[in-house]
Amino acid sequence: EADIYQTPRYLVIGTGKKITLECSQTMGHDKMYWYQQDPGMELHLIHYSYGVNSTEKGDLSSESTVSRIRTEHFPLTLESARPSHTSQYLCASSTPPDTQYFGPGTRLTVL
Amino acid sequence: AQTVTQSQPEMSVQEAETVTLSCTYDTSESNYYLFWYKQPPSRQMILVIRQEAYKQQNATENRFSVNFQKAAKSFSLKISDSQLGDTAMYFCAFMKQDNAGNMLTFGGGTRLMVKP
Repeated sequence: EADIYQTPRYLVIGTGKKITLECSQTMGHDKMYWYQQDPGMELHLIHYSYGVNSTEKGDLSSESTVSRIRTEHFPLTLESARPSHTSQYLCASSTPPDTQYFGPGTRLTVL
Repeated sequence: AQTVTQSQPEMSVQEAETVTLSCTYDTSESNYYLFWYKQPPSRQMILVIRQEAYKQQNATENRFSVNFQKAAKSFSLKISDSQLGDTAMYFCAFMKQDNAGNMLTFGGGTRLMVKP
């Protein structure tokens, strides 16, 4: 089982604020992922990374950006939050060949 | 592209009974992995069980087992001796076996309620 940490767990902010959701893992996994989970509970991949200095967009278009400067750290940033960004954000990491392990998630509410 | 379908949006079961959650998938790949994840009210996504497509033997983890039918592209989850703590959303997921990003394709989820 991987150790993956996400902070904050809950965040309520006003429209137009810049926010960064933190994700860290201590297992040295190369691959990391961000998912957005809407109120209907469907999960959508929004960003992923193969390793340091690698970032890719996922299936669902997102206004957020990510960076991967260190193996263990994969933060997600929203430059100007809007109510449409209200969602649960889940971070995951994996090591070959397969299994993704998830963090506890950040529940974001934008007023 | 792969698709994963969970046809049961909600299910309920009495404590100590057995329940089966359905999952079907569509793919042209021959090598892949299948997963069941559980998401309790805490919203943490927890791995329940994993199946490699090349293995004929069904995976088992304690009270959780799968019925993997490769030709039918079916991957159901059986929970035996259901416990109150099994109450959660259950997601079936598909992963192509390659050297790329290990991308997961999720089904829409089944909400399971275990009743006392």
